[in-house]
Amino acid sequence: GAVVSQHPSRVICKSGTSVKIECRSLDFQATTMFWYRQFPKQSLMLMATSNEGSKATYEQGVEKDKFLINHASLTLSTLTVTSAHPEDSSFYICSAYTLGQGIYFGEGSWLTVV
Amino acid sequence: GDSVTQMEGPVTLSEEAFLTINCTYTATGYPPLFWYVQYPGEGLQLLLKATKADDKGSNKGFEATYRKETTSFHLEKGSVQVSDSAVYFCALSRDDKIIFGKGTRLHILP
Repeated sequence: GAVVSQHPSRVICKSGTSVKIECRSLDFQATTMFWYRQFPKQSLMLMATSNEGSKATYEQGVEKDKFLINHASLTLSTLTVTSAHPEDSSFYICSAYTLGQGIYFGEGSWLTVV
Repeated sequence: GDSVTQMEGPVTLSEEAFLTINCTYTATGYPPLFWYVQYPGEGLQLLLKATKADDKGSNKGFEATYRKETTSFHLEKGSVQVSDSAVYFCALSRDDKIIFGKGTRLHILP
């Protein structure tokens, strides 16, 4: 089946720094990519929807200046957590969608801000 | 708005036991329902789905029936294996977005 690769799987960064997470669709072109976040014991929450070549659409309550999403090509979307703080520590997961292929998820990325 | 509620884990069972993970939903209309599974170190995978009321989804010995009367989509398996240890997410879709439950961690003991 279709594969979505997410990198890094685990990252530790210092408070105040920025960290980038990549999401790649390996064998299909994704017109839309989604970014989710999961707090401990909570649901996976949709953060934003990104379409190739256009600005991401953020869900209510998600700070667009803090969580920068770039969808530069049909196979790559990046999430950059800027000026990270310990409360940004979470599990982030992406998914890629294209008509006829359905939705496929990456492996997820554990971010720890110390 | 739409939401999904599933039983909290972790759920620990012995091998060959019967499994039920409860899931109920709140939604307008009858959106497609899904169960996703995440094995350790891997991405979320679609386990099964039901696209309309009264449908039954099945895969790898797992089953779930879309019951509109009880707004439920419980996941069942007659005889679990150690390899079924994973986190299971119930979800519904609205347009091209997916709304997840919190996930239920399942441990199967040999």
